[in-house]
Amino acid sequence: DAGVIQSPRHEVTEMGQEVTLRCKPISGHNSLFWYRQTMMRGLELLIYFNNNVPIDDSGMPEDRFSAKMPNASFSTLKIQPSEPRDSAVYFCASSIGQGPTDTQYFGPGTRLTVL
Amino acid sequence: AQSVTQLGSHVSVSEGALVLLRCNYSSSVPPYLFWYVQYPNQGLQLLLKYTSAATLVKGINGFEAEFKKSETSFHLTKPSAHMSDAAEYFCAVRPGGSQGNLIFGKGTKLSVKP
Repeated sequence: DAGVIQSPRHEVTEMGQEVTLRCKPISGHNSLFWYRQTMMRGLELLIYFNNNVPIDDSGMPEDRFSAKMPNASFSTLKIQPSEPRDSAVYFCASSIGQGPTDTQYFGPGTRLTVL
Repeated sequence: AQSVTQLGSHVSVSEGALVLLRCNYSSSVPPYLFWYVQYPNQGLQLLLKYTSAATLVKGINGFEAEFKKSETSFHLTKPSAHMSDAAEYFCAVRPGGSQGNLIFGKGTKLSVKP
């Protein structure tokens, strides 16, 4: 059974470029989460969706970040324009629902480096 | 506001020794608590979770954690460390009654010496 799939696994880009990160959640899961992990700030929730609808985007740092979920099997996180401070590991996670005991299953992450 | 504090960003034990990773939470309502493990260059994997059914929770790989309301703690233990336990461990809280969001601690990196 495939877990959460993220692509690319590594991305190196130059400041000012657009970056698109992709996520395929586990089939049948209705909730999808985007996290960012840095040494300084640890794991931070950026945004989460339930049934393809954004529920909480209060963690999105600024207007340069946007996320979409056009259907139940695909989501993107876009950064435009990218900056060096965006360098981090970005994780996507999915869960069967948004209930308080529902387990979140994490993908392997995308390591983003902005030069 | 809800929060999680993990005492010790780095813990080192010898192989075969007891593993104790500390987690204290702050929540205005009874919380749900989780421990995740992250191996190098991988995503997070659930070890165990407290959902109010039992205060002592057993997880994968021989780990367990005990919820102590009086101490607002949810420490993770394993009687005997293996080399394969070397990883980073994250405690997370979701306030009771809430949906979606998990609040993670800063993580504790566990090293296991031969």
